[in-house]
Parts: sequence; structure tokens; C-alpha cells
Amino acid sequence: DTAVSQTPKYLVTQMGNDKSIKCEQNLGHDTMYWYKQDSKKFLKIMFSYNNKELIINETVPNRFSPKSPDKAHLNLHINSLELGDSAVYFCASSPGTGEAPYEQYFGPGTRLTVT
Amino acid sequence: GQQLNQSPQSMFIQEGEDVSMNCTSSSIFNTWLWYKQDPGEGPVLLIALYKAGELTSNGRLTAQFGITRKDSFLNISASIPSDVGIYFCAGQLLGAAGNKLTFGGGTRVLVKP
Repeated sequence: DTAVSQTPKYLVTQMGNDKSIKCEQNLGHDTMYWYKQDSKKFLKIMFSYNNKELIINETVPNRFSPKSPDKAHLNLHINSLELGDSAVYFCASSPGTGEAPYEQYFGPGTRLTVT
Repeated sequence: GQQLNQSPQSMFIQEGEDVSMNCTSSSIFNTWLWYKQDPGEGPVLLIALYKAGELTSNGRLTAQFGITRKDSFLNISASIPSDVGIYFCAGQLLGAAGNKLTFGGGTRVLVKP
């Protein structure tokens, strides 16, 4: 069973469209994250949720809106897509508490291409 | 901005060689993690370090949490072709909000032609 899953794997869309990426984890973790990986492979944290509450919100345009319906799911909605949004988006989760609270487990990524 | 300096940025390996990479910062970290990313995949956790001076192995991989808490090292012994990929260090900064990790820029491990 996949621990952290994301859909879709690939997303090609035009500028100005609105799109969503979904993430689910079956690890029982309390904390989930969204990262953006650019063409130089640098990983940048965007958002973090702990038990459905937003706890990290980095400097991200308002066009990006995360939603956590429950602690196993974290979705990312992007409005008015721009060329610069093209990247690979990773979802991750970590226990949040206990012996290894910071050990993050990543999903396979969603490659977003905006044309 | 990025607070972790990872070096080298890239390296070539020959099968059987031992290779090393490191991560340094001017800030103190509570936790160090090492990840490997294969093409088209997400980063996979290799080793987690929680105490200054800690030395931990995972197969042919060995990582150390620096005594100053400002650096960490990863060694790969007897490298094999499947060691190719991007290795990231990540740290939990002392005083950081939530469970935020700071990532290094990655070390790209390639095979010598």
C-alpha cells in the first residue's frame, strides 16, 4: 500500500485555468505538507497542516489555497495558473509528535506544466 | 532564504568507491535528515539523526550529526550504480515553528563516464 499518494501524477494546463492536486496519507500522521520543487530541484515548503489546522504558510501567492478535510488528506487548489507555477509539487506527511516527529515521508509528486 | 549549504553540488562516482557529502549551516539544528531522490520520484528518507555526535548507519550509508549541531555528513561506501540520484540534507532548525524542515540544495551523484 502506498503511504503517501498524490493525484494526478502529471497535469498539463493552460494559463489562467484553475486546477487541484489531491494528497492522501495512510500512515496515521498528524502533519501534512506541500512543497514546490523547481527546475533546479530546490525543495521549498509552501504549507503545513497539523490535524487539519494550518500551521505553516510560507510566502505563497493567494492563488494557492490548501484544504485539509481531515488529517489524512491535504489538497492544493491553484487559481489563475501562471507559467511560473510550472514545477513538481510534493505532498509529505510526518508524525508531528512522538519519537520521530520530524521524519517526513513524501508522495511521488505531481508534475504541473502550464502552457 | 536557504540556510543549509550542501556540498558538493554534484559528484561523479565509480563503482566501488566511497563517497562523502556534507551539509553546513551558521544556525543550530535539532534534527538532521538525509533523503535520496530518484528521477521522477519523491525524496525517500535514508537516515535520521537526533543527537549531536550521533553516528547512524543504514546499509552502506553512514551519517553523522556534527558536534556543533551546525553540520552533518553522509558517506556512501562501495558505491554501486543505483546510488545515482540527488541526495538532500534537511534539518529542523532550533526554534523553528511547527515541524518545518529546511532543505539543502542537493548533491547530484552521477556515474563516471
